[in-house]
Amino acid sequence: DTAVSQTPKYLVTQMGNDKSIKCEQNLGHDTMYWYKQDSKKFLKIMFSYNNKELIINETVPNRFSPKSPDKAHLNLHINSLELGDSAVYFCASSQEAEWSYGYTFGSGTRLTVV
Amino acid sequence: GESVGLHLPTLSVQEGDNSIINCAYSNSASDYFIWYKQESGKGPQFIIDIRSNMDKRQGQRVTVLLNKTVKHLSLQIAATQPGDSAVYFCAGTSGYSTLTFGKGTMLLVSP
Repeated sequence: DTAVSQTPKYLVTQMGNDKSIKCEQNLGHDTMYWYKQDSKKFLKIMFSYNNKELIINETVPNRFSPKSPDKAHLNLHINSLELGDSAVYFCASSQEAEWSYGYTFGSGTRLTVV
Repeated sequence: GESVGLHLPTLSVQEGDNSIINCAYSNSASDYFIWYKQESGKGPQFIIDIRSNMDKRQGQRVTVLLNKTVKHLSLQIAATQPGDSAVYFCAGTSGYSTLTFGKGTMLLVSP
């Protein structure tokens, strides 16, 4: 009964390919996110999305696009993969609350572009 | 915007010692902070949070201290155990904006 699940856990692909990473949450949260973690462990927000609004970090290349078929899913599609896209990608979800607003993270997808 | 930074040390402690991990933030409007623990091969895991109207909050073996004057927060882990070895992140936000993460500190606990 994993709260936030991502697939695949590992993804190795060649430059120029198009790939997708899937994310599902069963917490009933309103907002989902994608973060990128680089080799130095820095976590950087890429997208946040709820049923009202998509917020895109302007530094994210437009080769990256989030797709949300419903409230419980936020997939990440990447076109024309580049070597620099290699990183660990984390999905997360949250629910606005009066006090606690902590995000719940998935276990990550390690993307390696060769 | 929010900027939350950690000096990125590797903190090495002996089992049983107390550990202190520090974090500085830049946005004085930040009103909510969280500490996360990330073990190898896993996603960040919520440890403890604190609102800006508090200066201290305690959990099980962990305490977060917030000093709004100097825009600094710390995570104290009492009686550190080998299972505490991980990367620790502070994160902050204002209102319900997206969390911004600091750089992370590696905590190594030796038996």
